[in-house]
Amino acid sequence: SQTIHQWPATLVQPVGSPLSLECTVEGTSNPNLYWYRQAAGRGLQLLFYSVGIGQISSEVPQNLSASRPQDRQFILSSKKLLLSDSGFYLCAWSPGLAGRYEQFFGPGTRLTVL
Amino acid sequence: AQSVTQPDIHITVSEGASLELRCNYSYGATPYLFWYVQSPGQGLQLLLKYFSGDTLVQGIKGFEAEFKRSQSSFNLRKPSVHWSDAAEYFCAVAGGQAGTALIFGKGTTLSVSS
Repeated sequence: SQTIHQWPATLVQPVGSPLSLECTVEGTSNPNLYWYRQAAGRGLQLLFYSVGIGQISSEVPQNLSASRPQDRQFILSSKKLLLSDSGFYLCAWSPGLAGRYEQFFGPGTRLTVL
Repeated sequence: AQSVTQPDIHITVSEGASLELRCNYSYGATPYLFWYVQSPGQGLQLLLKYFSGDTLVQGIKGFEAEFKRSQSSFNLRKPSVHWSDAAEYFCAVAGGQAGTALIFGKGTTLSVSS
């Protein structure tokens, strides 16, 4: 069966510090991968998605970037965090097959920027 | 553009009572529809999905949803709510500018009273 991991689970960082959140998927190959941010009362905001190694699409231009160095690894980064980067970050994967659009989510990372 | 509307921000239901959460979507073609549930501080769990065929779909935890094309709706139902069902529920549709990415509604928070 497939599993998805995210770490760290929680993170408190000062403004201006760098960020690296990691997501890995097990038990599948060639998945589509996604990063979402969730803010209270605002639902889920898609940040980045990837259909293959090195292929990153950005949905919202902002202070963050994403990379996919391996097939089942997706990293969210920032060089300098802003207060507005605080939130709950969710990684998700989907089978990457035509007609298979369901997504499966990781446990999330709670980021607090002080 | 595709969109999902969940008209109810917060619903309170008595334990043992029936539940219906509303979802309306806007999509030009046949939609791929989903319901997810999120407990506090957790990731999203897929409850059920609709792709085609029978318009009444069964999911996990005793939930079901009915697709009504004429009303552009995909409402979630459960005949008898348990206290453990208290959570946030998200409706989603596949599509949008991000290709296979999901478009989520803003969610409905369900509280269960004893």
